Amino acid sequence: DIQLTQSPSFLSASVGDRVTITCRASQGISSYLAWYQQKPGKAPKLLIYAASTLQSGVPSRFSGSGSGTEFTLTISSLQPEDFATYYCQQLNSYLRTFGQGTKVEIK
Amino acid sequence: QVQLQESGPGLVKPSQTLSLTCTVSGGSISSGSYYWSWIRQPAGKGLEWIGRIYTSGSTNYNPSLKSRVTISVDTSKNQFSLKLSSVTAADTAVYYCARDKVGGIDYWGQGTLVTVSS
Repeated sequence: DIQLTQSPSFLSASVGDRVTITCRASQGISSYLAWYQQKPGKAPKLLIYAASTLQSGVPSRFSGSGSGTEFTLTISSLQPEDFATYYCQQLNSYLRTFGQGTKVEIK
Repeated sequence: QVQLQESGPGLVKPSQTLSLTCTVSGGSISSGSYYWSWIRQPAGKGLEWIGRIYTSGSTNYNPSLKSRVTISVDTSKNQFSLKLSSVTAADTAVYYCARDKVGGIDYWGQGTLVTVSS
């Protein structure tokens, strides 16, 4: 099974900060990675797929990069509505594993 | 706009079978190259992928649950379903149904809480 490890698990930041979350895969997954945002009590929302393609309707302050085993999600200027938990998911194998999540909190 | 809605009992007794149905609206479950998936999330924890089905009936399951999981599809009703047998308290979670496109899961149901308790 492909394992995904996100870092950090918790992140405290201020509005306007640039935020970067890393997702590392236990083996190469090419660009088969997606990022999701989840707010309390809500279903996750797809932000980025194919490692760097922005899902329709997602603000351009979100960006993704990486391939192989290391990936990043960057929020260029953190907005109040961005405080949430973020998950990566690999789509390289039929077993669609998720990372453990990164909670972005208000500093 | 595609919408998904989970339905089923919110309380299941230990050792019994959890059964949920997802109704898809706003589009045919048979159209397009999509898998239809189930994901769950215990309270305060992360997401666990359970499995998925293609409209041909082809399925993939999480190996950790494979012996207890069955996912089926009813294209005439535009629905797909999850059955999880021999449940324990560890199966208590919010269960989501979702549409899995090639790049990721683009549509999710709102989620339904299933509690396993006697």
